Amino acid sequence: EPEVTQTPSHQVTQMGQEVILRCVPISNHLYFYWYRQILGQKVEFLVSFYNNEISEKSEIFDDQFSVERPDGSNFTLKIRSTKLEDSAMYFCASRGTGNYNEQFFGPGTRLTVL
Amino acid sequence: AQSVTQLDSQVPVFEEAPVELRCNYSSSVSVYLFWYVQYPNQGLQLLLKYLSGSTLVESINGFEAEFNKSQTSFHLRKPSVHISDTAEYFCAVSEPSEGSQGNLIFGKGTKLSVKP
Repeated sequence: EPEVTQTPSHQVTQMGQEVILRCVPISNHLYFYWYRQILGQKVEFLVSFYNNEISEKSEIFDDQFSVERPDGSNFTLKIRSTKLEDSAMYFCASRGTGNYNEQFFGPGTRLTVL
Repeated sequence: AQSVTQLDSQVPVFEEAPVELRCNYSSSVSVYLFWYVQYPNQGLQLLLKYLSGSTLVESINGFEAEFNKSQTSFHLRKPSVHISDTAEYFCAVSEPSEGSQGNLIFGKGTKLSVKP
């Protein structure tokens, strides 16, 4: 069964460093998403991506964040200069065409900023 | 703006007991409703969804949820739980409007712990 994969499973970084979180969506999906969950808080929408551009983003997704689909298979989230409050679980999701189809989630990357 | 409230952060129950996980939402427009489950060390998996039609929706593993528009609720129930149902359950909504990318708004989650 196809699945969304994410690497690494756990990333530890120093404050101010850049991190790139990687996701491989399901191959025939066209809509891609990043969500995050700070420990003990809600899963929050960050950004959606379609047709090689951002389609929607939340207020959390400021200039420190960027997304890219560099090679037609990977979907990355970059945080340019990490802050302590960026520590969270980051989930990638993808879905197929047609509205409101199921979003398939990856297992998440736990980012720890020291 | 849409929001989702899951009042119970943790629900401990004994095996074979019934369980209800509560979810309430607020929205100024009609919504689609979802329950996702996260087993330990795994990603979020869709458990069931309400898009339209019958207000009672069921999953393949015995869970059901009922959309109640007047109470703006979408509570998840199972008449008899198993140890394997131990997981965290997330209620979510999305806005079914034209042009929406289907972004999900989640509740804080409820950890269901089934004890033998």
